[in-house]
Amino acid sequence: EAGVAQSPRYKIIEKRQSVAFWCNPISGHATLYWYQQILGQGPKLLIQFQNNGVVDDSQLPKDRFSAERLKGVDSTLKIQPAKLEDSAVYLCASRPGGANYGYTFGSGTRLTVV
Amino acid sequence: AQTVTQSQPEMSVQEAETVTLSCTYDTSESNYYLFWYKQPPSRQMILVIRQEAYKQQNATENRFSVNFQKAAKSFSLKISDSQLGDTAMYFCAFSQLYGGSQGNLIFGKGTKLSVKP
Repeated sequence: EAGVAQSPRYKIIEKRQSVAFWCNPISGHATLYWYQQILGQGPKLLIQFQNNGVVDDSQLPKDRFSAERLKGVDSTLKIQPAKLEDSAVYLCASRPGGANYGYTFGSGTRLTVV
Repeated sequence: AQTVTQSQPEMSVQEAETVTLSCTYDTSESNYYLFWYKQPPSRQMILVIRQEAYKQQNATENRFSVNFQKAAKSFSLKISDSQLGDTAMYFCAFSQLYGGSQGNLIFGKGTKLSVKP
């Protein structure tokens, strides 16, 4: 089975610019997550989708971050404008809707803000 | 709120030896899952082992086993016969079964394991 696809793999932008990341989860996985992993730390949840609806976005900095999951499949995460502290790896994960395990992670996008 | 603590930022072990990584957590829930994930330089999180809190028996997966102490809220990972390919970051993670945050993974800060030849 195909894994969770993410692009781009790397991105370098200047502060105050905008950037978007894309995630294609495993086919049939209803639940999709975006995590932020700052260097030297564990991943932190940004947003959880169930199909195309938001379940939890309590830790998403909504003044600059936005995310959507159109038609309950692909998802995009956007940062506008970016700050230096947004430098991190952004991981996408998906799992079947009925289980609290069975997560599959993508390889992430490494963002560097200069 | 749940928290996960890994107190060993880095560890090293000789090839073929055994190493134990520590993890403690804090929660008021009685039913939950605990996980150990491996993150190699490729960045993809790979599941190593999973433990259901309602099961008293410790989970095992080939060379990997856990020591789950529910009352002490401790969840350590033992790697036997360490191999060079085990070199990676290891993350302990918690997931509650019920409530608004069900299924969301809460991670520790990780332990960097180096296996030396």
